Amino acid sequence: ETGVTQSPTHLIKTRGQQVTLRCSSQSGHNTVSWYQQALGQGPQFIFQYYREEENGRGNFPPRFSGLQFPNYSSELNVNALELDDSALYLCASSRDMSSYNEQFFGPGTRLTVL
Amino acid sequence: QKEVEQDPGPLSVPEGAIVSLNCTYSNSAFQYFMWYRQYSRKGPELLMYTYSSGNKEDGRFTAQVDKSSKYISLFIRDSQPSDSATYLCAMKGDYKLSFGAGTTVTVRA
Repeated sequence: ETGVTQSPTHLIKTRGQQVTLRCSSQSGHNTVSWYQQALGQGPQFIFQYYREEENGRGNFPPRFSGLQFPNYSSELNVNALELDDSALYLCASSRDMSSYNEQFFGPGTRLTVL
Repeated sequence: QKEVEQDPGPLSVPEGAIVSLNCTYSNSAFQYFMWYRQYSRKGPELLMYTYSSGNKEDGRFTAQVDKSSKYISLFIRDSQPSDSATYLCAMKGDYKLSFGAGTTVTVRA
């Protein structure tokens, strides 16, 4: 176990709805990254937060947004859900944003959009 | 062309065999190379983490990086049924990880 927790474990939404996913980072880690993993694919980088600021963003539209809180936990918000948003959403924490630090993943939240 | 290419398999081997996995990449900026193991419906678990070219061994696992060829490998010796999983290569140049599609491995008892 990595110490990274995510909630909920899974959920089902309908197209057009909004969803919020939550992540608690490993103790001592101040950087959180979010990834989307479609079935049969590798994870795709969404964005990273370091000390409550967005540090970098992948090729995802603005309806994907996030927050990081003073305790370094994080949220991923997705508005106007589309069918293609169905995926496993993973968060990963690291000690800081330095490139040499390993990222440790949580168990993921499985989102199904109907 | 994808930044990281990985043969999705599937790969099926008998117990005790050597499992050989590999990835190629196109981004010369990648400096850190990782292998993750992912069981069905679980998050990826970090197996090996290497910097630049060379070999790294950890128990039954050996990771190799050849930056001149933009090619990385993972070898699993004396494979066990518990090694059955999807193996993801990942690479990092700045802050984000770029993943391969994953190779599904089954070790038959």
